[in-house]
Amino acid sequence: DIQMTQSPSSLSASVGDRVIITCRTRQSISTYLNWYQQKPGKAPKLLIYGASSLQSGVPSRFSGSGSGTDFTLTISSLQPEDFATYYCQQSYSTPNTFGQGTKLEI
Amino acid sequence: QVQLQESGPGLVKPSETLSLTCTVSRVSISSYYWSWIRQPPGKGLEWIGYIYYSGSANYNPSLKSRVTISLDTSKSQISLKLSSVTAADTAVYYCARSDSGLGNFDYWGQGTLVTVSS
Repeated sequence: DIQMTQSPSSLSASVGDRVIITCRTRQSISTYLNWYQQKPGKAPKLLIYGASSLQSGVPSRFSGSGSGTDFTLTISSLQPEDFATYYCQQSYSTPNTFGQGTKLEI
Repeated sequence: QVQLQESGPGLVKPSETLSLTCTVSRVSISSYYWSWIRQPPGKGLEWIGYIYYSGSANYNPSLKSRVTISLDTSKSQISLKLSSVTAADTAVYYCARSDSGLGNFDYWGQGTLVTVSS
């Protein structure tokens, strides 16, 4: 299995801040990396696919970058509704695996 | 808008079989991959497996000996069976859609909590 390591595990930030979340793998996964946002009691929501493509309907303040083993999710200016847990997921090889999550708190 | 709805017992006894159904609406079940993903309370996400509309399935090796995913195209339903459950199988179970076996999950059900307890 491909292990996904996210950092930090939790992050405190304020509205308007720029936030960067990192996801790393031990082996190259090209750009087969996706990002999800999950709010309490809700299903995850796809934000970014293919490392950098914005899912339809997702605000442009979200962006993704990276390839190989190092990836980032950037939120350019935090909004109140962005406080949630974020997960990365690799779709390079089966089984699909997820990072452990990054909880973004006020 | 694609809709996925999980249903099934919320309580299962240890050693028994967990059975859930995901009903898909507003989209054809054909040409997509349908996965089950679970999340233990307060923990991260674990992919269980997928089934393609053709009937071919792929499972997480960690659960493969206990999992069966099947499809009823006439009812637009995907089923999950997980045998010999223990407390470690307590989780919210989600069904989700992807357009490939190794893809992103663009639509999810709301999830259903299954507790394993006597």
